[in-house]
Amino acid sequence: AQKVTQTQTSISVMEKTTVTMDCVYETRDSSYFLFWYKQTASGEIVFLIRQDSYKKENATEGHYSLNFQKPKSSIGLIITATQIEDSAVYFCAMSVASSSFSKLVFGQGTSLSVVP
Amino acid sequence: EAAVTQSPRNKVAVTGGKVTLSCNQTNNHNNMYWYRQDTGHGLRLIHYSYGAGSTEKGDIPDGYKASRPSQENFSLILELATPSQTSVYFCASGDWDYYEQYFGPGTRLTVL
Repeated sequence: AQKVTQTQTSISVMEKTTVTMDCVYETRDSSYFLFWYKQTASGEIVFLIRQDSYKKENATEGHYSLNFQKPKSSIGLIITATQIEDSAVYFCAMSVASSSFSKLVFGQGTSLSVVP
Repeated sequence: EAAVTQSPRNKVAVTGGKVTLSCNQTNNHNNMYWYRQDTGHGLRLIHYSYGAGSTEKGDIPDGYKASRPSQENFSLILELATPSQTSVYFCASGDWDYYEQYFGPGTRLTVL
């Protein structure tokens, strides 16, 4: 069975700094996809970035980037030059190619607070 | 404009009553999903659909039915609502089986 674990419950950083959020996953599949989502205070869930397991290069999207360490089953989210509006709950998720449908397995989330 | 919309955004229902949550997507995605989000459980999959006319059970389907009458619309039906179904419900759509899903704004359901 697949499992996604986010051990950081909450993080607080100063505005304009860089933050890294951790995520580890478990799967026996050789092909899988990893995602990060952001849930704002209003409840909206927004897709941020995806990493395909077969790609060695870390994905980047705007001021979001990933630190993909396949041997450690780890996919960290890096946010550079943080802004107040980055304050939100961030979820890591995974889907596996061998399953009969594209079920997303979510971590429990990390609450990020960006302070001035 | 929003590509996945849900209605209603808030709903109060009585125990034993019937509740229908609606979802519409303009992404032209084949796949659609219903999740519920509860503190301590994260997001859990209730039902999903591969296309018009299809519905499949997710991880927690008991007490829920789903309907996909068209590519754009996917409904979640609670025939006999119970207080344990009080939650926030999210609809999502996806283009390809294993790629990212795009979520609607959520519906807060309270069953009294």
